[in-house]
Amino acid sequence: TQLLEQSPQFLSIQEGENLTVYCNSSSVFSSLQWYRQEPGEGPVLLVTVVTGGEVKKLKRLTFQFGDARKDSSLHITAAQPGDTGLYLCAGAGEETSGSRLTFGEGTQLTVNP
Amino acid sequence: ETGVTQSPTHLIKTRGQQVTLRCSSQSGHNTVSWYQQALGQGPQFIFQYYREEENGRGNFPPRFSGLQFPNYSSELNVNALELDDSALYLCASSLARTSRSSYNEQFFGPGTRLTVL
Repeated sequence: TQLLEQSPQFLSIQEGENLTVYCNSSSVFSSLQWYRQEPGEGPVLLVTVVTGGEVKKLKRLTFQFGDARKDSSLHITAAQPGDTGLYLCAGAGEETSGSRLTFGEGTQLTVNP
Repeated sequence: ETGVTQSPTHLIKTRGQQVTLRCSSQSGHNTVSWYQQALGQGPQFIFQYYREEENGRGNFPPRFSGLQFPNYSSELNVNALELDDSALYLCASSLARTSRSSYNEQFFGPGTRLTVL
């Protein structure tokens, strides 16, 4: 069973601060996706990383895939209240059929003005 | 291009009843995956359909079943509802080259909130 552990589970910060969310596993993933989810809505895809060591930037968001493709991080610079939401990492396995996603438990981020 | 849509938005059922949830995949996508998201948790994989065939199943009992139609839309059926089935049910569509493709981006619908009383 592939498990993804996310940390921290909850994060409350002030506008302008930086933060990092971690996603770790003992399993290797062929790709890893980060989503952001608002209450009562479906997750919205932010980025997909597929290559070990890959770094992707999306404005103030920086995503990194570990060299061994077992872990990932999301760094937000100068957080804004609009960044508030549930951040989910999800991995697609190398050895499972299809492309089922294994999700972490999520990180609930609150950015206070 | 139309995104993933789900119906109904909300549903209230009682224990023992049956429910059918519907999902229309994004235009051009051939794969639909269903997930259950309990409150405060990440989504859990239920099963996936690729070109009308079941293509992988998570740890859910047989009373969870599904279908995919020729237009790639999909249904999730749950029989003999239990209180623990209360959750947000998410459908995600993607475009896969083969049934074993492990890299394809999944796009989620808004979900159906099911409450079992």
